[in-house]
Amino acid sequence: AQSVAQPEDQVNVAEGNPLTVKCTYSVSGNPYLFWYVQYPNRGLQFLLKYITGDNLVKGSYGFEAEFNKSQTSFHLKKPSALVSDSALYFCAVRVRSNDYKLSFGAGTTVTVRA
Amino acid sequence: DGGITQSPKYLFRKEGQNVTLSCEQNLNHDAMYWYRQDPGQGLRLIYYSQIVNDFQKGDIAEGYSVSREKKESFPLTVTSAQKNPTAFYLCASSKMTGGGTNEKLFFGSGTQLSVL
Repeated sequence: AQSVAQPEDQVNVAEGNPLTVKCTYSVSGNPYLFWYVQYPNRGLQFLLKYITGDNLVKGSYGFEAEFNKSQTSFHLKKPSALVSDSALYFCAVRVRSNDYKLSFGAGTTVTVRA
Repeated sequence: DGGITQSPKYLFRKEGQNVTLSCEQNLNHDAMYWYRQDPGQGLRLIYYSQIVNDFQKGDIAEGYSVSREKKESFPLTVTSAQKNPTAFYLCASSKMTGGGTNEKLFFGSGTQLSVL
């Protein structure tokens, strides 16, 4: 079985401050990890992924995430948040196999205030 | 432009009625997926298909049916057996690679289904 936990329903930060969205995962085997963002009434957009290699992954819009195997975490970060980063963020995981099924977390709503 | 088109944007279902949500992609992707999104619950997988004429149940397939007669199309039918169909439905597709180096999902803009 595979699962993802996003422990915070909401994250509020001031523009210009660092932004962190937390994600922990549980899988049997080595994980593929993803972050997606959803703007209001829209589909999800891919931000970044970790497959293998460097634990620090850089993605779209200045976001990055760090894979920590010992803590089974994949937290999303941005050094300086923008108001336009306000959205719903989803972490997702699957194992390395021929099964392409992703498991998503419940999502974290990020609000960046001006 | 390449992408995924879902229609309609809004759909209303009457008691006992089956309704079908359309999903078309022109990305030449082999795999297609249907997810259901409820507030506070994230996305839950309903069905997925990795090849034409084949599909697998996801975590919440009861009350739903799909078909995959063409690579480009993966319609979802919400049957009368689905007692709580009100949700936002998202279709997605992905390229299938053996090495797993390009597995990001591309999503449509969604269909909001409500019960009258």
